[in-house]
Amino acid sequence: EAQVTQNPRYLITVTGKKLTVTCSQNMNHEYMSWYRQDPGLGLRQIYYSMNVEVTDKGDVPEGYKVSRKEKRNFPLILESPSPNQTSLYFCASSPGTGLYTEAFFGQGTRLTVV
Amino acid sequence: KQEVTQIPAALSVPEGENLVLNCSFTDSAIYNLQWFRQDPGKGLTSLLLIQSSQREQTSGRLNASLDKSSGRSTLYIAASQPGDSATYLCAPNDYKLSFGAGTTVTVRA
Repeated sequence: EAQVTQNPRYLITVTGKKLTVTCSQNMNHEYMSWYRQDPGLGLRQIYYSMNVEVTDKGDVPEGYKVSRKEKRNFPLILESPSPNQTSLYFCASSPGTGLYTEAFFGQGTRLTVV
Repeated sequence: KQEVTQIPAALSVPEGENLVLNCSFTDSAIYNLQWFRQDPGKGLTSLLLIQSSQREQTSGRLNASLDKSSGRSTLYIAASQPGDSATYLCAPNDYKLSFGAGTTVTVRA
């Protein structure tokens, strides 16, 4: 089954403790991205990757890191989480960014930073 | 920067009624537009992808129209059911997806 898998689904952590949210897709997609969703603000892009070893900032990259060492994986790293990073996070993948590119989303990771 | 507006923000209808969800966007230079469904606390499920060259796209009870030049898309859901209750998001793709705040639909049995 074609899917985007995120782990963990739920995470509660303390301020400053480094964490990683994993994302994996099995569709051989080149383009992957991370979004956060907050009430009243909608979904905002954090980082994206056009292909292996190619990443760039989205609209709200501060406080986040990413890496793309393999095509299927795109982990999101919070080096020193803060309470304002409490949010619902989504990973997405698509064949590319242009015509005929349908995006697929993971089930989300609900992160609480206390 | 692409700005996406969805109207209405919320909608409550009795079962069987047709739904009309509106989406407007500011930059018409898009490749395509995707409609998603999101259940509370859950992920986004892709409903329809409509290409910039298309005027309409249909899937079952769902029909999406696109007027790229005026920056508008409409999602029609025929004969609504309680299972259609969810938040619906539109996302124009102009190199990346931009999202509106969504329309939250409640279908009353």
